[in-house]
Amino acid sequence: DAGVTQSPTHLIKTRGQQVTLRCSPKSGHDTVSWYQQALGQGPQFIFQYYEEEERQRGNFPDRFSGHQFPNYSSELNVNALLLGDSALYLCASSLSGGGANVLTFGAGSRLTVL
Amino acid sequence: GNSVTQMEGPVTLSEEAFLTINCTYTATGYPSLFWYVQYPGEGLQLLLKATKADDKGSNKGFEATYRKETTSFHLEKGSVQVSDSAVYFCALAGGTSYGKLTFGQGTILTVHP
Repeated sequence: DAGVTQSPTHLIKTRGQQVTLRCSPKSGHDTVSWYQQALGQGPQFIFQYYEEEERQRGNFPDRFSGHQFPNYSSELNVNALLLGDSALYLCASSLSGGGANVLTFGAGSRLTVL
Repeated sequence: GNSVTQMEGPVTLSEEAFLTINCTYTATGYPSLFWYVQYPGEGLQLLLKATKADDKGSNKGFEATYRKETTSFHLEKGSVQVSDSAVYFCALAGGTSYGKLTFGQGTILTVHP
């Protein structure tokens, strides 16, 4: 049973560029959340998607946007990249309802902004 | 808002030593509490959880008790192994924030043979 898969695993961008990260949730999960983990810090919640809509959002600017597809997979887009956007981006999937707090994480996409 | 504070790290122990990693939290209402573990190059894995006061979560020899009176959820293990070397994160989920976890900054644990 595949868990959460993310792509790409590593990427390098320059300031001002745009990036798209992709996530396939664990089989059977319908909710996808995205987290940003800066070096040496704990993950910070970006937003959550359920039924193809953004359901919750953390304290991140509008440069961060996302999408969920009918097959529950998801994308995270970041526009106008800043140096401070360099981080490990984690995707987590879960079941809606009572299982929503039990998250399965992917290994992450490490973004470096130069 | 919600917040989680973990003890300053890193923590270095010898094999078979006793482990405690302190975690305290600030939250409104009755949050659920979690410990996640991150091995090098891997995603976070749920280690254990507790959903109400005085609940004890346990897994793989690790334990943590939800103490509402001290707003704490300290992680303990009686005898650590080299394979327990990883980064440990304490986290909480607010009562109405399903799937939105607030994490502590993480504690690096290194266990030497």
